Amino acid sequence: SQQGEEDPQALSIQEGENATMNCSYKTSINNLQWYRQNSGRGLVHLILIRSNEREKHSGRLRVTLDTSKKSSSLLITASRAADTASYFCATPYYGNNRLAFGKGNQVVVIP
Amino acid sequence: EPEVTQTPSHQVTQMGQEVILRCVPISNHLYFYWYRQILGQKVEFLVSFYNNEISEKSEIFDDQFSVERPDGSNFTLKIRSTKLEDSAMYFCASTPLAGGRGNTEAFFGQGTRLTVV
Repeated sequence: SQQGEEDPQALSIQEGENATMNCSYKTSINNLQWYRQNSGRGLVHLILIRSNEREKHSGRLRVTLDTSKKSSSLLITASRAADTASYFCATPYYGNNRLAFGKGNQVVVIP
Repeated sequence: EPEVTQTPSHQVTQMGQEVILRCVPISNHLYFYWYRQILGQKVEFLVSFYNNEISEKSEIFDDQFSVERPDGSNFTLKIRSTKLEDSAMYFCASTPLAGGRGNTEAFFGQGTRLTVV
């Protein structure tokens, strides 16, 4: 079964620095999505990248997708304390409705 | 901005009791979902619902679980006889199109934290 899997790293960075996290998946996908979860709260959609896209930007977010390596990265530039959260990648089962989430990366931005 | 709303935000129940978690998806969305997240673990898919019936369910979604869209706005998850291991955050989500095929983001509610004691 396909599944998003982030690198199991917890990041602790200073405000203003960049944060990078990675995700790998196992089978073919037609898109990959990144979500943010603040402590004890709901999931907020950040960005969706389609399988025919290699890079996508949204504000301070940059996502890359390498379908040959079945991997994606999320870069947050010029981080702020408000970026402190868990970040999940999620892949839909191809031709299906469910999202498979990775374990999440905890990012702490120190003011 | 439209949002998915869930009630209650926190529910405590005794083992063996029935609970109903409520959700109001975004009004023009067609697909509805329940996910759960046990503390410290991954977000797990439970069930998807389309056109007034279950379109897909996971192995977690056993006979103790059921979903219903009792009217044009609410979408509920019922757990018939709760177990300690049902303690988790339960998220409702909706999408305007099919989640996988449609290349569309899912909109999640803030979740209901269920504690079974």
